[in-house]
Amino acid sequence: GQSLEQPSEVTAVEGAIVQINCTYQTSGFYGLSWYQQHDGGAPTFLSYNALDGLEETGRFSSFLSRSDSYGYLLLQELQMKDSASYFCAVYSSASKIIFGSGTRLSIRP
Amino acid sequence: SQTIHQWPATLVQPVGSPLSLECTVEGTSNPNLYWYRQAAGRGLQLLFYSVGIGQISSEVPQNLSASRPQDRQFILSSKKLLLSDSGFYLCAWSVDLPSYEQYFGPGTRLTVT
Repeated sequence: GQSLEQPSEVTAVEGAIVQINCTYQTSGFYGLSWYQQHDGGAPTFLSYNALDGLEETGRFSSFLSRSDSYGYLLLQELQMKDSASYFCAVYSSASKIIFGSGTRLSIRP
Repeated sequence: SQTIHQWPATLVQPVGSPLSLECTVEGTSNPNLYWYRQAAGRGLQLLFYSVGIGQISSEVPQNLSASRPQDRQFILSSKKLLLSDSGFYLCAWSVDLPSYEQYFGPGTRLTVT
């Protein structure tokens, strides 16, 4: 079968760094994306990795290891507004996408 | 700039009633269009996607259907709603395939009673 695993909840302190992991098992692999979703809102795109390595976009970075079927999202200098759910999504083909169940990030002052 | 619209924002429907949700995209041509459903506290489940007018691919067999009568219009329908159809329905669009970057509409929260 095809599956994505990510922690259900993560708690961190404002100003700190947090890493959200995602491991996947799919029949094919084209790339891995990350989305942010605030309560009641729509998901917004954060980043994607098609090749191994680190992609940096401001305070957010995403990493991929295709050989390990593993990726992570790194959030630095956490702000209260970063409290949200974060989803990894794997493209097992050009048109087929599978979303993880999401990681709820809570930030304490 | 591109914008995506969905309506209605919320909907309460009785079991067995029909459903029609509409999604339109502005500011782009020939987008790839997607319908997702999200159960409370869960991830997104891809229901349908379309790469062009009249071209619909179904990912999950169920009592829902989709149509794309115009380039930037995507409609989700059901003839008879089930309780299990309750959820948050999201429409999204993208430019390329693979569409690593998708843009989501505001969603419709459907409650089937």
